[in-house]
Amino acid sequence: DAKTTQPTSMDCAEGRAANLPCNHSTISGNEYVYWYRQIHSQGPQYIIHGLKNNETNEMASLIITEDRKSSTLILPHATLRDTAVYYCIVRPYNNAGNMLTFGGGTRLMVKP
Amino acid sequence: DSGVTQTPKHLITATGQRVTLRCSPRSGDLSVYWYQQSLDQGLQFLIQYYNGEERAKGNILERFSAQQFPDLHSELNLSSLELGDSALYFCASSVGVEVYTGELFFGEGSRLTVL
Repeated sequence: DAKTTQPTSMDCAEGRAANLPCNHSTISGNEYVYWYRQIHSQGPQYIIHGLKNNETNEMASLIITEDRKSSTLILPHATLRDTAVYYCIVRPYNNAGNMLTFGGGTRLMVKP
Repeated sequence: DSGVTQTPKHLITATGQRVTLRCSPRSGDLSVYWYQQSLDQGLQFLIQYYNGEERAKGNILERFSAQQFPDLHSELNLSSLELGDSALYFCASSVGVEVYTGELFFGEGSRLTVL
């Protein structure tokens, strides 16, 4: 699976958009970008995934650059409950075994 | 609530001992995954079972073993425990062997402390 690079930590003001970047310059054509988050010591939670088109769901938006070498997860109106570690993961859509490989992630702190 | 149930939530034991962690996957999910999260290692994949059979193995120590039973619940057995085994152990489940959404559902974890 392609390696990802994320900032170690970020701050965001409550009510503002949180934009979390991820670099995946070695991504290959059959690899998707997945985002998970982990609120303090809880189990990781799926957020969103995409291949090349921008995606949006009730939790977040995912913007993938045209060359697919980087992406941004957007939480449109961050709340204190969005404080968590956010993991960007790249893996093939039908990866045999289906396990996810977590990196260090970005620790997002939403401040009042 | 992800629908994945893990027991016990907390466990304190001594070095050299053996413990068993239990996981009940979401209803209908056939795959179970075990992950270990320690402070210095992050989330590490240990092992996956699908419908009772081992499907994939990660960085799982020989002192650790797992199995998935006919009712699809899974157990992770940790033996000859060492201080470094202290960690959060997460179980996750998914519908099949290869989930095309890539979505795994994680339990709340079992926190193991080895003294």
